[in-house]
Amino acid sequence: AQSVTQLGSHVSVSEGALVLLRCNYSSSVPPYLFWYVQYPNQGLQLLLKYTSAATLVKGINGFEAEFKKSETSFHLTKPSAHMSDAAEYFCAVESGNTPLVFGKGTRLSVIA
Amino acid sequence: GAGVSQSPSNKVTEKGKDVELRCDPISGHTALYWYRQSLGQGLEFLIYFQGNSAPDKSGLPSDRFSAERTGGSVSTLTIQRTQQEDSAVYLCASSPDRGRTDTQYFGPGTRLTVL
Repeated sequence: AQSVTQLGSHVSVSEGALVLLRCNYSSSVPPYLFWYVQYPNQGLQLLLKYTSAATLVKGINGFEAEFKKSETSFHLTKPSAHMSDAAEYFCAVESGNTPLVFGKGTRLSVIA
Repeated sequence: GAGVSQSPSNKVTEKGKDVELRCDPISGHTALYWYRQSLGQGLEFLIYFQGNSAPDKSGLPSDRFSAERTGGSVSTLTIQRTQQEDSAVYLCASSPDRGRTDTQYFGPGTRLTVL
């Protein structure tokens, strides 16, 4: 069965600093991987997804993630944090015909 | 175009009562999902519908939970004899198909509080 582990339930960065949100997965078949973002009082929206094309995936709002099979990771990064990036971020894995499995989420705070 | 809508946005109920939560997916989307989001627990899959196929109910936590999708569009999640542990945000999502790489489009959720 597949699973997702997000290291750090809460990450705090200064405005302009690097954002790094960690995601590790386990899957018995080649996975497809997703990052979703949830802004306060809103539903989730897709940031980016890995679908076995390029291992470095670029998403919206300057975010990107790199699929590393050897490390079973799909960490999310952004070079420079903005106040508007404050939200909850969810990593998810899809492998086979089972529904998406989500991690428990990482809340990102951005300090001015 | 319109996104996924859910109603009500908030629901407060007493323990033991039944509740119905509604989801209107994006028009034309054949796949519809229900998730439960509890504090610190991420998203827990509950059930999904794909076209006219039998739904995947493997995530429903107990037989108090049920869902239906009428006419391949609107879906209702019903929780019978609610318990305090049912308090959570219930999220609905839809996608164009059940392709493995399809993006799921989420509604804003219904916050359920069971007193």
